[in-house]
Amino acid sequence: DGGITQSPKYLFRKEGQNVTLSCEQNLNHDAMYWYRQDPGQGLRLIYYSQIVNDFQKGDIAEGYSVSREKKESFPLTVTSAQKNPTAFYLCASRVAGSTDTQYFGPGTRLTVL
Amino acid sequence: AQSVTQLGSHVSVSEGALVLLRCNYSSSVPPYLFWYVQYPNQGLQLLLKYTSAATLVKGINGFEAEFKKSETSFHLTKPSAHMSDAAEYFCAVSGQSGGYNKLIFGAGTRLAVHP
Repeated sequence: DGGITQSPKYLFRKEGQNVTLSCEQNLNHDAMYWYRQDPGQGLRLIYYSQIVNDFQKGDIAEGYSVSREKKESFPLTVTSAQKNPTAFYLCASRVAGSTDTQYFGPGTRLTVL
Repeated sequence: AQSVTQLGSHVSVSEGALVLLRCNYSSSVPPYLFWYVQYPNQGLQLLLKYTSAATLVKGINGFEAEFKKSETSFHLTKPSAHMSDAAEYFCAVSGQSGGYNKLIFGAGTRLAVHP
């Protein structure tokens, strides 16, 4: 089955630690996105990538980093510089040239202890 | 710049009643508009999308939405609510940022369905 996988489903981190969230897609999509979701705030864009080896900051990139070494993979690192990292993180992908439809993974819930 | 406003963070309906979730958008160009649904601790699933074809768009699970340019609205409706419709619903509009496509989401509306 084609789709987007995110791992782990739940992640706990101690303050001051970096942590990496995985996002993999086998849809052959060109563009990939990372969003952060907090209660009552909808989804906010962290980073996006249109092609391999290229990515752009979104609206709330501070304290996060990404890489795009392969078309199917777009990992997100939450660094210790992120002041309030506890949130639900969603990865999405899109076919370039499509009508902007993004398809979402199941999400990772990160909790900082 | 594009933006989305969803009126009502919580909506409660009886099973079998009409569902109406409101979405107003702002866009300087003809927009693409989307409705997504999210069940607890899951990702977002596309319900339907408007891409400048028919103004009445039919989606999955019996939902539909009507694009009204004069009202800058894209409200989501379903004639008869089912218990399984209880979820959070997000309206989104396509936009551009630095030459790249992006989606701008509303804050979401949580739908409760009671017997």
